[in-house]
Amino acid sequence: EDKVVQSPLSLVVHEGDTVTLNCSYEVTNFRSLLWYKQEKKAPTFLFMLTSSGIEKKSGRLSSILDKKELFSILNITATQTGDSAVYLCAKGHSSNTGKLIFGQGTTLQVKP
Amino acid sequence: NAGVTQTPKFRVLKTGQSMTLLCAQDMNHEYMYWYRQDPGMGLRLIHYSVGEGTTAKGEVPDGYNVSRLKKQNFLLGLESAAPSQTSVYFCASSPRPLAKNIQYFGAGTRLSVL
Repeated sequence: EDKVVQSPLSLVVHEGDTVTLNCSYEVTNFRSLLWYKQEKKAPTFLFMLTSSGIEKKSGRLSSILDKKELFSILNITATQTGDSAVYLCAKGHSSNTGKLIFGQGTTLQVKP
Repeated sequence: NAGVTQTPKFRVLKTGQSMTLLCAQDMNHEYMYWYRQDPGMGLRLIHYSVGEGTTAKGEVPDGYNVSRLKKQNFLLGLESAAPSQTSVYFCASSPRPLAKNIQYFGAGTRLSVL
């Protein structure tokens, strides 16, 4: 079954804290693992991971994939109030459809 | 940079009414998708299209129909709206999914069915 599970479902931190968001997936039909950020409107793309152990980094955000243990993490260091959003993890389907299977999302609230 | 544009942004329907949601993309993408987002359930795929004139069912297709008559447009229809179709609907498009699965999303349509 295609399933993606994110944890925690919600998180409240204070500015400056470091957070780690988790995403686990089932190995069937796996091509890639993607992270999106959703602030009220359209999800915006953050990272795509296809290889184990290679960290992708953009500013204070970073992500890594473990294809043996079937999970990915998204780290945000020195959080800011602008990081408050829903973070979505998705598994890219290996078929020729380009389908994404999304997790439930993690709602992050960063307090001043 | 328009990207993916959805119309309308908001709509309220009565049970049994019909409507069409329009998605337009200006990136010359081959693949287009319709999702619904409900609290605590992430994004669920309704229908998708891998090219002009072709459509396929996703995870939750019941009660919806789609058409892709032009490459840049993907229409989602509700023939007889039900309260269970109250949701936020997102359209997305994707280039070359054989190499990547990156999808680009529209701003969403918030639909309430009373």
